[in-house]
Amino acid sequence: GESVGLHLPTLSVQEGDNSIINCAYSNSASDYFIWYKQESGKGPQFIIDIRSNMDKRQGQRVTVLLNKTVKHLSLQIAATQPGDSAVYFCAENIGRGYNKLIFGAGTRLAVHP
Amino acid sequence: DTGVSQNPRHKITKRGQNVTFRCDPISEHNRLYWYRQTLGQGPEFLTYFQNEAQLEKSRLLSDRFSAERPKGSFSTLEIQRTEQGDSAMYLCASSQNPGGYEQYFGPGTRLTVT
Repeated sequence: GESVGLHLPTLSVQEGDNSIINCAYSNSASDYFIWYKQESGKGPQFIIDIRSNMDKRQGQRVTVLLNKTVKHLSLQIAATQPGDSAVYFCAENIGRGYNKLIFGAGTRLAVHP
Repeated sequence: DTGVSQNPRHKITKRGQNVTFRCDPISEHNRLYWYRQTLGQGPEFLTYFQNEAQLEKSRLLSDRFSAERPKGSFSTLEIQRTEQGDSAMYLCASSQNPGGYEQYFGPGTRLTVT
């Protein structure tokens, strides 16, 4: 079946550096994408979303970029902090109605002092 | 705390037993979703409700699984005759549709079937 995938399972960065987490999606009909952060033992935490009619959206220290031509999504975290260490998932909504999300396996971000 | 809550947080049961989990969504949200997550994987969609109506069920939701949202507020997920393969984190999320659409997740219920 179609699913969201991630290029890198683990990303290690130094505190203060910028982080970029990548995601490839396979369904061209997907019209809505979300990035989630999940810490150990907790549920996924909403970070930022983007609709398919946009190619960039910024939040607080985070930016999501969407490239529909190559079906690629990325999450940029500025000035990465130890508290950013977690597993990050991208998820896509397929079809109309925003009724379910398809998640990838996740990327673990490890921030070193 | 006005977020999504789930109970219990952990459940250990023996194979063959029935278990029931509860989810209380964010109060103004009309949509409620159930997902299952196994170690190292992303959440997998199981089912969702618009108010009290169950509108979609995944093929993952076998006939041993049943979910209800009788009054359009809290929801329960029941697993009958549990199997070891049912061991996972069961996550609940809620959203407002139309509205923000983003789904907010609860802390999950971790089920261990021995």
